[in-house]
Amino acid sequence: ETGVTQSPTHLIKTRGQQVTLRCSSQSGHNTVSWYQQALGQGPQFIFQYYREEENGRGNFPPRFSGLQFPNYSSELNVNALELDDSALYLCASSSRTEANYGYTFGSGTRLTVV
Amino acid sequence: QKEVEQNSGPLSVPEGAIASLNCTYSDRGSQSFFWYRQYSGKSPELIMSIYSNGDKEDGRFTAQLNKASQYVSLLIRDSQPSDSATYLCAVPHSNYQLIWGAGTKLIIKP
Repeated sequence: ETGVTQSPTHLIKTRGQQVTLRCSSQSGHNTVSWYQQALGQGPQFIFQYYREEENGRGNFPPRFSGLQFPNYSSELNVNALELDDSALYLCASSSRTEANYGYTFGSGTRLTVV
Repeated sequence: QKEVEQNSGPLSVPEGAIASLNCTYSDRGSQSFFWYRQYSGKSPELIMSIYSNGDKEDGRFTAQLNKASQYVSLLIRDSQPSDSATYLCAVPHSNYQLIWGAGTKLIIKP
């Protein structure tokens, strides 16, 4: 059974550009959650997708958007990149939407905006 | 705004001693609590979960929960240099998201 995989592992973008991050969920999992972790801080919830629909969203602007595909893999898209978007982006998949059981994360994507 | 608070550290502990990490939370209705370990440059790894008041032991790790005081702690016995990492406390909120503390950096000195 494979775990959660994220790609790419590292990415450097210029301010104003757009970026797409990818997450392949663990086999049997239908829910994907995305978090942003700035340096020295705890992760911040961006949004969750369940069966291809957004199931909840944190305090992030609309330029952060996502998709979930029929195979339950997911994309995070960020438009009009800002310097403050530099962070580790984490994806977690689960077989249920509730956070009461904890999440297992992929290895993350380190985004640097210059 | 629901909050989770941790001392940022660093907490320096001699090898072989007990490391004690603390976390307080603001939501009295919280039912489950998680400790994650994060090595530098890596993603958080779930190491302990606790749902009931009292202690829960798993190997060298013990999680302690006191809901009346809104306090959860993690004890690491016989600390090893490989335990050096940032430890993050997380609490569910709104059913589908985790609220996180900023983490405590733990340094185990040989």
